[in-house]
Amino acid sequence: AQSVTQLDSQVPVFEEAPVELRCNYSSSVSVYLFWYVQYPNQGLQLLLKYLSGSTLVESINGFEAEFNKSQTSFHLRKPSVHISDTAEYFCAVGSSNYKLTFGKGTLLTVNP
Amino acid sequence: NAGVTQTPKFQVLKTGQSMTLQCAQDMNHEYMSWYRQDPGMGLRLIHYSVGAGITDQGEVPNGYNVSRSTTEDFPLRLLSAAPSQTSVYFCASSWDRDNSPLHFGNGTRLTVT
Repeated sequence: AQSVTQLDSQVPVFEEAPVELRCNYSSSVSVYLFWYVQYPNQGLQLLLKYLSGSTLVESINGFEAEFNKSQTSFHLRKPSVHISDTAEYFCAVGSSNYKLTFGKGTLLTVNP
Repeated sequence: NAGVTQTPKFQVLKTGQSMTLQCAQDMNHEYMSWYRQDPGMGLRLIHYSVGAGITDQGEVPNGYNVSRSTTEDFPLRLLSAAPSQTSVYFCASSWDRDNSPLHFGNGTRLTVT
């Protein structure tokens, strides 16, 4: 069985500040790790993923996440956030790319 | 590019009524799934399918039925709606390849009174 824990349900930050959204997982087998983002009234979109190889993965809009096997973590970071980053972020784990277990989500609110 | 299309966007049902949530994708994806999203609960997998004619249960299947007669369509049926099924429902699809992400529809908001 797999499980995902997102340690913060809400994270308020000011624009241009750094942010870290925390995610821990548990699994008895090797897994793939994902971050999905959900903007208001929309479905989820893939932000970034770790399948294998380099433990640091990056997205096209400045987010990055680091896979830490010893700590079973996959925290999401951005050095400087924008108002447009306001959204709910979901960490997910799976033994394939599609049958995923999602965390409960972290609502990131960027204030001016 | 239609992607994953869900209908209806909103629905109100009375307890005991039945209905079908529609999901269609035009990307020839093998894999399709249904999730429900509830406040503070994240997304929970209801049912999924790895190809036409093949379906399986997810984490919270009770009260829901699915079928997959074509690659494109994956309807979700509520046989006898209950207030506990009030939720936002998302359909998602993917190729069965490591680099293929899940593509989500925009959701159906269901209220059962």
